[in-house]
Amino acid sequence: AQSVTQLGSHVSVSEGALVLLRCNYSSSVPPYLFWYVQYPNQGLQLLLKYTSAATLVKGINGFEAEFKKSETSFHLTKPSAHMSDAAEYFCAVSDQGNYQLIWGAGTKLIIKP
Amino acid sequence: IAGITQAPTSQILAAGRRMTLRCTQDMRHNAMYWYRQDLGLGLRLIHYSNTAGTTGKGEVPDGYSVSRANTDDFPLTLASAVPSQTSVYFCASSDSGAGVNEQFFGPGTRLTVL
Repeated sequence: AQSVTQLGSHVSVSEGALVLLRCNYSSSVPPYLFWYVQYPNQGLQLLLKYTSAATLVKGINGFEAEFKKSETSFHLTKPSAHMSDAAEYFCAVSDQGNYQLIWGAGTKLIIKP
Repeated sequence: IAGITQAPTSQILAAGRRMTLRCTQDMRHNAMYWYRQDLGLGLRLIHYSNTAGTTGKGEVPDGYSVSRANTDDFPLTLASAVPSQTSVYFCASSDSGAGVNEQFFGPGTRLTVL
């Protein structure tokens, strides 16, 4: 069965520093991969998605993620953190043809002034 | 375009009472989902519906029921609420015909069972 692992329930970075949120999946077949963001007291919204086209995927708000099949990873990065990036981030994976998403436990991003 | 609406926004409920959380989408998506979100546990799927008239059980279905009479609405019912059902509930939908299964989320319902 598919699973998703997000390393670190909390990640703290200084404003202006690099953001790196890690996501690894378990699958022998490259799936569809997603990053969602949840701001406080809101629902989840899609940041970006990988659908077997380009391995480097650009999303909203300056975020991007790179699909690495050999490492079964889909880490999320942003070159320079802003205070407004403080939120919880979820990685999710879907097997092709499966209607459901398998979710990681989430990583709370904390931005230090 | 509203996307997905959920009602109520929040509710405090006495244990043993019946409660229905409402979810409506205007995107004509065929698939809909109910999740609960608890601190440290991420999102857990309660029930889903791949198309109107069909429903399925997710990871944590006990104590909950759903119906899907039409494409737009997917209500979640707690027949007899218990304190462990205190959570934030999210409804989501997707167009499974698009193949990618990107899910769109509602704003959530915060439920407290006392």
